[in-house]
Amino acid sequence: NAGVTQTPKFQVLKTGQSMTLQCAQDMNHEYMSWYRQDPGMGLRLIHYSVGAGITDQGEVPNGYNVSRSTTEDFPLRLLSAAPSQTSVYFCASSYRPLLREGSGANVLTFGAGSRLTVL
Amino acid sequence: KQEVTQIPAALSVPEGENLVLNCSFTDSAIYNLQWFRQDPGKGLTSLLLIQSSQREQTSGRLNASLDKSSGRSTLYIAASQPGDSATYLCALPNSGGSNYKLTFGKGTLLTVNP
Repeated sequence: NAGVTQTPKFQVLKTGQSMTLQCAQDMNHEYMSWYRQDPGMGLRLIHYSVGAGITDQGEVPNGYNVSRSTTEDFPLRLLSAAPSQTSVYFCASSYRPLLREGSGANVLTFGAGSRLTVL
Repeated sequence: KQEVTQIPAALSVPEGENLVLNCSFTDSAIYNLQWFRQDPGKGLTSLLLIQSSQREQTSGRLNASLDKSSGRSTLYIAASQPGDSATYLCALPNSGGSNYKLTFGKGTLLTVNP
């Protein structure tokens, strides 16, 4: 049981380049999400998904695209990287979407993070 | 919009001390609250989840309480150890029209000195 796996761990891009951060979970979780973490700003939600084929925007979605074609995978795409997207990115998942009360089902499991630098 | 505040931003204590970390939130219409730990350069690890119907949750030396009426949660760490050194974050779902979105505090950086 690998949990939440993120790749790559580190990436350096030039402004304008595109790339995809991969996220996969093997826990049959309905809910998946992407956060970015910046000094002084804390963790901010980029996009989330409550199931295959369903995605929605979080707090800071501009410049990022997501898709959820399978339950297991939730890739985050940067279409044209900008220096402002330099950050540490975390993927997180839970068995149920967060607003449903249920013991243990809402616990969020995080990946190890992907550190992205845009020059 | 839910706003989450954690005070203090940093805390340094000697080994063995009992300590309390604080988390305040503005909207009490929440379903649950989670406490996480983050080690430097690592992802977040869930420590405790408190449902809105509960007042506290315990795991080993950790005890988290929730007071929705006052918009506060506390994380109590008993007999602190150097291995407890990490950043501790609280998080709770947004309410109102923002479904499925989790708001995090900025965390408290805890250092336990041997």
